[in-house]
Amino acid sequence: SQQGEEDPQALSIQEGENATMNCSYKTSINNLQWYRQNSGRGLVHLILIRSNEREKHSGRLRVTLDTSKKSSSLLITASRAADTASYFCATAGKHSGAGSYQLTFGKGTKLSVIP
Amino acid sequence: DTEVTQTPKHLVMGMTNKKSLKCEQHMGHRAMYWYKQKAKKPPELMFVYSYEKLSINESVPSRFSPECPNSSLLNLHLHALQPEDSALYLCASRYEGQGPGEQYFGPGTRLTVT
Repeated sequence: SQQGEEDPQALSIQEGENATMNCSYKTSINNLQWYRQNSGRGLVHLILIRSNEREKHSGRLRVTLDTSKKSSSLLITASRAADTASYFCATAGKHSGAGSYQLTFGKGTKLSVIP
Repeated sequence: DTEVTQTPKHLVMGMTNKKSLKCEQHMGHRAMYWYKQKAKKPPELMFVYSYEKLSINESVPSRFSPECPNSSLLNLHLHALQPEDSALYLCASRYEGQGPGEQYFGPGTRLTVT
């Protein structure tokens, strides 16, 4: 299994602070993606980082990838109450025995941003 | 249009019922997915369709039967479900191009089996 494992499982911060979430995975990947999920709703894609990239930025998001350690981190700067959600990393790789790619999701970090 | 729609939003069914979940996208994506998500857990892949053909079936019980009638539609037919099948069922789609890009998710169907 190449399931990602996030830590922490839950994170509570004050509005304006930065939030850092980490993800570790087990096997080689094509890319690693981060998704956000508001309570009981669908997932929203945040950012994708390819296996040959080390860092990527998108607005207030910064993602790093260390393939030697099989780990990634997501940093949300200047957090807002609206950032309250669960955040999942997902590793992308080819499904064994099939030509299609699949995502394998980590357990997720539940972020609470207190106004 | 960058939206994946799912109907119904909520579904309550008995263990002897037959029902269907529907997913639709008009982004020209040729890969479509069904996921099951239990409370406080990550989504778990159930099925993958690529160019309207079933590509991956993650050993899902036969009481779940997927169907992809055309490139925009994905159905999940449900029959004789168990209470433990209660979950959020998510549909997603992806551009089937070069390599695994982002997936676009629908809002999900909250299924309760009584």
